[in-house]
Amino acid sequence: KAGVTQTPRYLIKTRGQQVTLSCSPISGHRSVSWYQQTPGQGLQFLFEYFSETQRNKGNFPGRFSGRQFSNSRSEMNVSTLELGDSALYLCASSLADLSTDTQYFGPGTRLTVL
Amino acid sequence: AQTVTQSQPEMSVQEAETVTLSCTYDTSENNYYLFWYKQPPSRQMILVIRQEAYKQQNATENRFSVNFQKAAKSFSLKISDSQLGDTAMYFCAYLSSGGNTPLVFGKGTRLSVIA
Repeated sequence: KAGVTQTPRYLIKTRGQQVTLSCSPISGHRSVSWYQQTPGQGLQFLFEYFSETQRNKGNFPGRFSGRQFSNSRSEMNVSTLELGDSALYLCASSLADLSTDTQYFGPGTRLTVL
Repeated sequence: AQTVTQSQPEMSVQEAETVTLSCTYDTSENNYYLFWYKQPPSRQMILVIRQEAYKQQNATENRFSVNFQKAAKSFSLKISDSQLGDTAMYFCAYLSSGGNTPLVFGKGTRLSVIA
């Protein structure tokens, strides 16, 4: 069974631009979570989607948004990019819901904002 | 809110030796799950081991085992017969079993296995 895939793997943008990252979960997984990883803040939860609905959201500004499609694939969007948005963005999928299932991670998208 | 603390930012171990990574957590809940994830330089986060809080028996996966002390809120990872491929960042994570809450990660421990 294929693992979690994320595209693109690397991205370079300039301040003020917007970016969309994509995540395809493991087949059969319905929950997708997004995390931001930086050297200073570590791993921080962005949001989680289940059956096309956002079920949980971390403490990030409204510039960060996401969605999930009927095939469970998810996208996250960051508008008006800032230098501090440079990070590794990780997507994780699980079978059903956050409370009981193990999350499996994708390889991440490395975003650099210049 | 739950917190996870990994007090060892960096560790090193000789190949074939045993190393223990520490993790403590703070929670008022009785039912929860604990995980160790490994993130090699390639950046792919890989699940190492999972422990359910209601299980007294410590989880084991090949060379990886945990020492789960629920009363002390401690969850350490022991790696036996360390291999060069074990070089990675190791993250301890907590997941509440009640309600839809996300994984809470520690800051990580960078482990270097030396030949």
